[in-house]
Amino acid sequence: SQKIEQNSEALNIQEGKTATLTCNYTNYSPAYLQWYRQDPGRGPVFLLLIRENEKEKRKERLKVTFDTTLKQSLFHITASQPADSATYLCALTKIYGNNRLAFGKGNQVVVIP
Amino acid sequence: NAGVTQTPKFQVLKTGQSMTLQCAQDMNHEYMSWYRQDPGMGLRLIHYSVGAGITDQGEVPNGYNVSRSTTEDFPLRLLSAAPSQTSVYFCASSARPRTSGRALITGELFFGEGSRLTVL
Repeated sequence: SQKIEQNSEALNIQEGKTATLTCNYTNYSPAYLQWYRQDPGRGPVFLLLIRENEKEKRKERLKVTFDTTLKQSLFHITASQPADSATYLCALTKIYGNNRLAFGKGNQVVVIP
Repeated sequence: NAGVTQTPKFQVLKTGQSMTLQCAQDMNHEYMSWYRQDPGMGLRLIHYSVGAGITDQGEVPNGYNVSRSTTEDFPLRLLSAAPSQTSVYFCASSARPRTSGRALITGELFFGEGSRLTVL
């Protein structure tokens, strides 16, 4: 069966350090992968999209890598701040057929001042 | 620009009642979708639409109906509510999916703030 796996345990990290989240998938061959941020009681907000032929994508303090051999994406927040505390979701879709996004369950990040 | 607007934000229903969750977007997006989010389950796709007059089922469509008569609106109907439909519902929209290489890429999804539904 198809799975998108993110760590269910919250990541507690000291302010200023780099937070790294993992998204693993099985039985998908995604053409691209997206990352979203979700705050409590709010809808998810898009952060980054990375295509299968891109190894790395950056946006301000965010960096995403995509390894289709390992079937894994890593999401990094450098110089983390308390305002980065949220749940981060990865999402992907199949190459062929429909264009529906499937989401991982999300990984919570808590940045400690 | 309001983005994606969902109403109501909160609703309590009794088993067997019907209701409609409203979703409207003002970005002229062709693609709209409904997700439900449950603890430990993540976001699951209920129904989606790639344009006015076109709808299709997602991962968990049973018990829900949708229609898309205009580009702006995509209501979700619960015909006979069940306790299993207690959840937070999110509507999302995006611009027309575009072809990139061998992929049909859904652009970034813009989500509403959610509708929290409790079925007793």
